[in-house]
Amino acid sequence: QSVLAQPASVSGAPGQSIPISCGGTSPDIGTYNLVSWYQQHPGKAPKLIIFEVNKRPSGVSDRFSGSKSGNTASLTISGLQAEDEAVYYCSSYAGNNLMEFGAGTKVTVL
Amino acid sequence: QVQLQESGPGLVKASETLSLTCSVSGDSVTSGRYYWSWIRQAPKKGMEWIGSIYYTGKTYANPSLQSRVTISLDTSNNQFSLKLSSVSAADTALYYCVGPTFFSFDYWGQGALVTVSS
Repeated sequence: QSVLAQPASVSGAPGQSIPISCGGTSPDIGTYNLVSWYQQHPGKAPKLIIFEVNKRPSGVSDRFSGSKSGNTASLTISGLQAEDEAVYYCSSYAGNNLMEFGAGTKVTVL
Repeated sequence: QVQLQESGPGLVKASETLSLTCSVSGDSVTSGRYYWSWIRQAPKKGMEWIGSIYYTGKTYANPSLQSRVTISLDTSNNQFSLKLSSVSAADTALYYCVGPTFFSFDYWGQGALVTVSS
């Protein structure tokens, strides 16, 4: 069901920077600059934090940054804070009017 | 500020049709070149894009669900809806209505839990 590959979990100490990867298979991430990232806290709806690979919606902390290389997208959380503990999902356009999601990565702040 | 809210039965019998409605406030479903979509999240699993409808009424659906999915606009009530036919236990999930573009989702409803019973 989840087409994009994400690590199940990532952890880091407060203040550290952590990367979360999102691996695709052509023609999704590698073909289109239409990768988004969502943050989901328990019991809450997901929140858009990155769109079009590296753009932040208004009000989203600049500690969140996105990038892409080949068929892999990455979300980096800098200056990790306790409030960043959540599940992070990537999504990408896959062509042919189809959107794909990853299975999610649980971020733990140590 | 655009707000979305899902409504519909929380329990559906297997083989029947799941029906959900998303009420939109803060803007018209037919303004601004919006795409309105449905996404679901099965228990302890990731998210799955179900399908989308453009403000013109043109629809798109996930090929894995396409034969069972109907998405429509109700402009008089500023709503859009989802119908999923022939449901099974695998369709038990939290269903979200979202917007405003095809490629990224900035507006989310609070989610509607739908359980399929046998």
